[in-house]
Amino acid sequence: DVKVTQSSRYLVKRTGEKVFLECVQDMDHENMFWYRQDPGLGLRLIYFSYDVKMKEKGDIPEGYSVSREKKERFSLILESASTNQTSMYLCASTLGQGSEKLFFGSGTQLSVL
Amino acid sequence: QKEVEQNSGPLSVPEGAIASLNCTYSDRGSQSFFWYRQYSGKSPELIMSIYSNGDKEDGRFTAQLNKASQYVSLLIRDSQPSDSATYLCAVKGGSQGNLIFGKGTKLSVKP
Repeated sequence: DVKVTQSSRYLVKRTGEKVFLECVQDMDHENMFWYRQDPGLGLRLIYFSYDVKMKEKGDIPEGYSVSREKKERFSLILESASTNQTSMYLCASTLGQGSEKLFFGSGTQLSVL
Repeated sequence: QKEVEQNSGPLSVPEGAIASLNCTYSDRGSQSFFWYRQYSGKSPELIMSIYSNGDKEDGRFTAQLNKASQYVSLLIRDSQPSDSATYLCAVKGGSQGNLIFGKGTKLSVKP
């Protein structure tokens, strides 16, 4: 079974802190994605990557950056956390280009105080 | 802005009934359509995909696609309390071919 592991299930940070959310997949998938999920707003794509060291902006990249130094790891960085970044963050991966069958991690509930 | 619209619900059906979940999309060029199920506190998981007009059946689940009407639906026959979840409609059609998700419909199946 594909396993997508997110490093933290719950995270509490202060406004202005730099926050790192880590995601690791174990199935040699090419593509990795970061979404945030908010009540009433659904799943929104923040960033994605189709290859090592490659990144593309999704629909809501402002305030975020990403890093993909190794194929299996995709990190989401909040440069200066703000309260409106309080959300559930979901990492996902797919085997090849097309992002059809997404395998999701268990999510990180981030609270920014 | 390409959009995927779903009725947020909640949709409540009695056990054993048919649950009907609906989704419309704005991009007429979309070719691939998906239903994800998300249990409370869990991550979404893919349950159905459909690419051609008509019906696709998988056990108690049937996906229906009408590209002319830009409409996709999910029918759940003999609904069970374990089907209670939020169902996300997703359409392939973002700027880089990524999935665009609807906001989800919450289904509650009452025993």
